Amino acid sequence: AQSVTQLDSQVPVFEEAPVELRCNYSSSVSVYLFWYVQYPNQGLQLLLKYLSGSTLVKGINGFEAEFNKSQTSFHLRKPSVHISDTAEYFCAVSIMNRDDKIIFGKGTRLHILP
Amino acid sequence: ETGVTQTPRHLVMGMTNKKSLKCEQHLGHNAMYWYKQSAKKPLELMFVYSLEERVENNSVPSRFSPECPNSSHLFLHLHTLQPEDSALYLCASSPQGVRYGYTFGSGTRLTVV
Repeated sequence: AQSVTQLDSQVPVFEEAPVELRCNYSSSVSVYLFWYVQYPNQGLQLLLKYLSGSTLVKGINGFEAEFNKSQTSFHLRKPSVHISDTAEYFCAVSIMNRDDKIIFGKGTRLHILP
Repeated sequence: ETGVTQTPRHLVMGMTNKKSLKCEQHLGHNAMYWYKQSAKKPLELMFVYSLEERVENNSVPSRFSPECPNSSHLFLHLHTLQPEDSALYLCASSPQGVRYGYTFGSGTRLTVV
């Protein structure tokens, strides 16, 4: 079965600094990968997804993620964060070419420091 | 507005009450999901409906009862809940096939007193 690990439960970053949120997955077959964001008192919103092709995926709000098959990672990055990026970020995985459920990581809370 | 609407946004209920959570989507999606989100715990998948048929029930206590009368509506009926059931309940929908990801509603914040 597939699984997702987000090693950092919280990441503090100064405003306008770069950030990387780490995600590693485990699966014996090919997967789809997702990043979701949850702002306070809201549901989850899709930031970006990797299905196939180019390993660098660009999403909304200036975020991007890179799929690394050899390291089974899908880290999320942004070159310069803003106060409005304060939220919880969830990495998720699903088995490719199957109508299966999406498995979510435990989430990483991003704190933007002024 | 994401296209998935959940009502009510907040609900406080006693342990002997009966209430229902409602989820509505008009995105033309074929699958709908209930998730429970508790503090400091990962998202828990509760129920999955595909084409109005329940395809998964992750060992959820019987005090939670889902209903999917059509592809646009999903309910979660609640009765005799416990304080540990207090959480954010999220509804999501998706087209057939997970490659499109899920569209989530804003959730219902449930407090059991």
